[in-house]
Amino acid sequence: EAGVAQSPRYKIIEKRQSVAFWCNPISGHATLYWYQQILGQGPKLLIQFQNNGVVDDSQLPKDRFSAERLKGVDSTLKIQPAKLEDSAVYLCASSLVGGKDYGYTFGSGTRLTVV
Amino acid sequence: DQQVKQNSPSLSVQEGRISILNCDYTNSMFDYFLWYKKYPAEGPTFLISISSIKDKNEDGRFTVFLNKSAKHLSLHIVPSQPGDSAVYFCAASGWAQKLVFGQGTRLTINP
Repeated sequence: EAGVAQSPRYKIIEKRQSVAFWCNPISGHATLYWYQQILGQGPKLLIQFQNNGVVDDSQLPKDRFSAERLKGVDSTLKIQPAKLEDSAVYLCASSLVGGKDYGYTFGSGTRLTVV
Repeated sequence: DQQVKQNSPSLSVQEGRISILNCDYTNSMFDYFLWYKKYPAEGPTFLISISSIKDKNEDGRFTVFLNKSAKHLSLHIVPSQPGDSAVYFCAASGWAQKLVFGQGTRLTINP
């Protein structure tokens, strides 16, 4: 079974620029998550999709962050404009259903550095 | 508001001995707890979980203990092996089914 694919692996941008991350979940996984992991902290949920609908985006800074999941498969996370404090690893995860069976599988993440 | 806390940023253990990683939580609505392991440049991978209706779950060398009255869980690894060196995250979930993670503990197994 192929894992969760994320690209790019690394990205360096200047503050106020925009950036986009891409995630391809495991085939058949209905639920997709984007997490932000700042150095020295645990991952923090930004947004959760069930198919192509948003389940939870309460911690997404909506003035600068946006995410979409077209056709309930791939997803993109965008930051515009970026701030220095957005430097982090952005992790995508997917699961069969949003639930406690916890087939949560994470991708390797995109490390963003904002200078 | 840190609902899940791992108060030890790092832990160093001799190979073959027991590693004990601790986690505390504040939200009494959490009813499912998990441990994830993370190697550098990789995403976290699921290790072991426990439901709030249990107080212990064992899987090979890994055992998770849950003390609901103290809102505390721990992960025991015995015997510890060099490949266990990684960052370990404790996570918890409630009715909303999203995971809340602790800050992580970096475990180093010394030969």
